[in-house]
Amino acid sequence: GAVVSQHPSWVICKSGTSVKIECRSLDFQATTMFWYRQFPKQSLMLMATSNEGSKATYEQGVEKDKFLINHASLTLSTLTVTSAHPEDSSFYICSAFKQVSNNSPLHFGNGTRLTVT
Amino acid sequence: GQSLEQPSEVTAVEGAIVQINCTYQTSGFYGLSWYQQHDGGAPTFLSYNALDGLEETGRFSSFLSRSDSYGYLLLQELQMKDSASYFCAVKRGGNKLTFGTGTQLKVEL
Repeated sequence: GAVVSQHPSWVICKSGTSVKIECRSLDFQATTMFWYRQFPKQSLMLMATSNEGSKATYEQGVEKDKFLINHASLTLSTLTVTSAHPEDSSFYICSAFKQVSNNSPLHFGNGTRLTVT
Repeated sequence: GQSLEQPSEVTAVEGAIVQINCTYQTSGFYGLSWYQQHDGGAPTFLSYNALDGLEETGRFSSFLSRSDSYGYLLLQELQMKDSASYFCAVKRGGNKLTFGTGTQLKVEL
């Protein structure tokens, strides 16, 4: 069954509004979660690392004030896209490792398809 | 910077064997993973190589040569359901994964 749950699976919003996406680890605690963005027919780009109880670390070129990340508990991380614009329309996917070992897989949520009109 | 190159598209017939290559150039390397993604879906883990050599998991095998910064995914006995995008990914420090450009595999009858 699913290891990481993401909600909502899709959202349509108007330009200038904010959208919050939730990511939950199921039956395990995730001190770290990773947020990716994927444009159609393209690769997954790491946006930021969400750290429980501390600030997220953002990849180069990702605006931290636009993509607010909160990791308030060991099972929940949220990504808020603030003042969304059409160019923010994309597929956002969260992920986490259930176990911390070299060969353990990264488990992904089912993703959120954001469309900004 | 980080760079992982894959062929953009590969087409093969059902029952055949196909190899998807990945060459990488990254700062930091702990291992190479492969993920499968069907259209509109989440990526799912296929395999992981930390050391040189071949890892076999059922119909899928993955190979790594660290000295050549190269790896490949081998899919045998192709099935229609294998039609998907395949991504290699390098594990870097902080458990971060950097994904390759992706290869769309089309399996035909």
